Amino acid sequence: GENVEQHPSTLSVQEGDSAVIKCTYSDSASNYFPWYKQELGKRPQLIIDIRSNVGEKKDQRIAVTLNKTAKHFSLHITETQPEDSAVYFCAASDTGANSKLTFGKGITLSVRP
Amino acid sequence: DTGVSQNPRHKITKRGQNVTFRCDPISEHNRLYWYRQTLGQGPEFLTYFQNEAQLEKSRLLSDRFSAERPKGSFSTLEIQRTEQGDSAMYLCASSLGGVGPQHFGDGTRLSIL
Repeated sequence: GENVEQHPSTLSVQEGDSAVIKCTYSDSASNYFPWYKQELGKRPQLIIDIRSNVGEKKDQRIAVTLNKTAKHFSLHITETQPEDSAVYFCAASDTGANSKLTFGKGITLSVRP
Repeated sequence: DTGVSQNPRHKITKRGQNVTFRCDPISEHNRLYWYRQTLGQGPEFLTYFQNEAQLEKSRLLSDRFSAERPKGSFSTLEIQRTEQGDSAMYLCASSLGGVGPQHFGDGTRLSIL
């Protein structure tokens, strides 16, 4: 089955700097890759997703890039703000958005004011 | 609020008791998913439904677990003879088939005494 890994487990950046979070996946058949943000005690919230027929997608300060050859994808957050502090989970699915997602363990992002 | 709704938010029970959780998806969403999340981990897939049909079950879903979605609207997840290892956050998500993505509820936190 699919295996998704995130490294490192924590990331600390200064407010205003950029943050990059990377994930790798094992199943070359995976074709859908969402990113979720989870604040303490709250639900995971989708922040951006990408499908395998696209190499990059951007939404304001957030972007995701996908390298199918290397089987990794990355979340880029520019001009970080304290409210970006949260746990970020990447996930992958081999049957699109409407099937089971395999999640990574999450990365805790801390934005220092 | 038209998001995914889960009840109860918290459940404390003694080992060996049965518990049941409810999930109400976003009204037009025909797919409904159950995940389990333990501290420091990403959500783990348990099962999902398209309308009332249960399409996939994870090996994590032992025979003590049963999920239903009798009329293709709300779903229930029952755990029989609870064990300490069942302590976790149980998350429900829903999506519109063929379009996605998955939107999560706030979860039910289960604590086994």
